[in-house]
Amino acid sequence: SQKIEQNSEALNIQEGKTATLTCNYTNYSPAYLQWYRQDPGRGPVFLLLIRENEKEKRKERLKVTFDTTLKQSLFHITASQPADSATYLCALDITGYNQGGKLIFGQGTELSVKP
Amino acid sequence: EAQVTQNPRYLITVTGKKLTVTCSQNMNHEYMSWYRQDPGLGLRQIYYSMNVEVTDKGDVPEGYKVSRKEKRNFPLILESPSPNQTSLYFCASSLRAEGHIGGYTFGSGTRLTVV
Repeated sequence: SQKIEQNSEALNIQEGKTATLTCNYTNYSPAYLQWYRQDPGRGPVFLLLIRENEKEKRKERLKVTFDTTLKQSLFHITASQPADSATYLCALDITGYNQGGKLIFGQGTELSVKP
Repeated sequence: EAQVTQNPRYLITVTGKKLTVTCSQNMNHEYMSWYRQDPGLGLRQIYYSMNVEVTDKGDVPEGYKVSRKEKRNFPLILESPSPNQTSLYFCASSLRAEGHIGGYTFGSGTRLTVV
């Protein structure tokens, strides 16, 4: 069956360290992959988008990699801060650029950054 | 301010009483979508729309209706709500044009309870 898996366990790290979150998928060939941040009771907030022909994307302290052979994306937050504590969601668009809009989300990984 | 506005934020209703959750965006986005979020199940897509008068089913469309008569509005209609539709609902919009895909902007959510 089609699946998106993110680290189910919460990730606890010390302030200043790099957080690395994993998103694995099976049976999809997504045109692109997105990462979102969600705080409790609030809507997800878009962070980064990476296309199938891109290996890496950066934005300030954030870095995303996308390996379509391994069917895996890694999301890194460098120099993490307590304010980075949230749930992070990966999402795959499985219908392509100009076709549909079927965006499938993983269940998210909860990140906690301790001071 | 660019945003997706959902109303109401909270709603308690009784089984079988028709209701509409409104969603409006001010970014001239072509794409709009509805999701529900449940503990342990993550975000699941209900319906999406690629443009005016173009709608399609997501993963969990049963018991819901949508319409897209204007570009900015995408209401979610529950004709006969049931307790299993108790959930947190999110509307989202995105720019999707030839060669350009944007991240999704989510609304603040509607917490619906059906008793």
